[in-house]
Amino acid sequence: AQRVTQPEKLLSVFKGAPVELKCNYSYSGSPELFWYVQYSRQRLQLLLRHISRESIKGFTADLNKGETSFHLKKPFAQEEDSAMYYCALSGPGGTSYGKLTFGQGTILTVHP
Amino acid sequence: ETGVTQTPRHLVMGMTNKKSLKCEQHLGHNAMYWYKQSAKKPLELMFVYSLEERVENNSVPSRFSPECPNSSHLFLHLHTLQPEDSALYLCASSQDGTSSYEQYFGPGTRLTVT
Repeated sequence: AQRVTQPEKLLSVFKGAPVELKCNYSYSGSPELFWYVQYSRQRLQLLLRHISRESIKGFTADLNKGETSFHLKKPFAQEEDSAMYYCALSGPGGTSYGKLTFGQGTILTVHP
Repeated sequence: ETGVTQTPRHLVMGMTNKKSLKCEQHLGHNAMYWYKQSAKKPLELMFVYSLEERVENNSVPSRFSPECPNSSHLFLHLHTLQPEDSALYLCASSQDGTSSYEQYFGPGTRLTVT
């Protein structure tokens, strides 16, 4: 069974500090990993996906298959980064229907 | 309105009522999803429809009955619900049903079962 664990329910940092939101997964195969974000009063939206290997809003995430992790990082947090962040996992691209398994989410608060 | 819309945004119903949630997507997508977001659980996939065919039923009780009449509309029919079914129900759509595509979410329907 596939599972996603986000160990931190709440994370607080000060503006300009580095931030890392942890995500570990359990999946027997090659998963696709995603980070979704929900800003206050907005709908859930995709932030980034590991297959794209891109930086979005200064955030990056590297898939570490050895540690089964997909941590989200940003070197200098901004107040506008305050939001709920969800790590999600799906089966290999193109082979399984969009059965996203979500973690419980981490609420990030960036203080001025 | 563009994107994914859901109606109603809030719904209170008794355990003996029958109601329906509606989702509409204006993105030309071929896959649609229902998710349940409870206070103490992660976001849970309920159903997946691809080209109007149900391709995933994630062990959801029969008191939840989905319907996808066309690729733009998705319904969730509710009957004889339990108080523990109170949650935020999110609809999403994607270009197709494979896992490669980004899912676009609606604002959700906040359901309270009394």
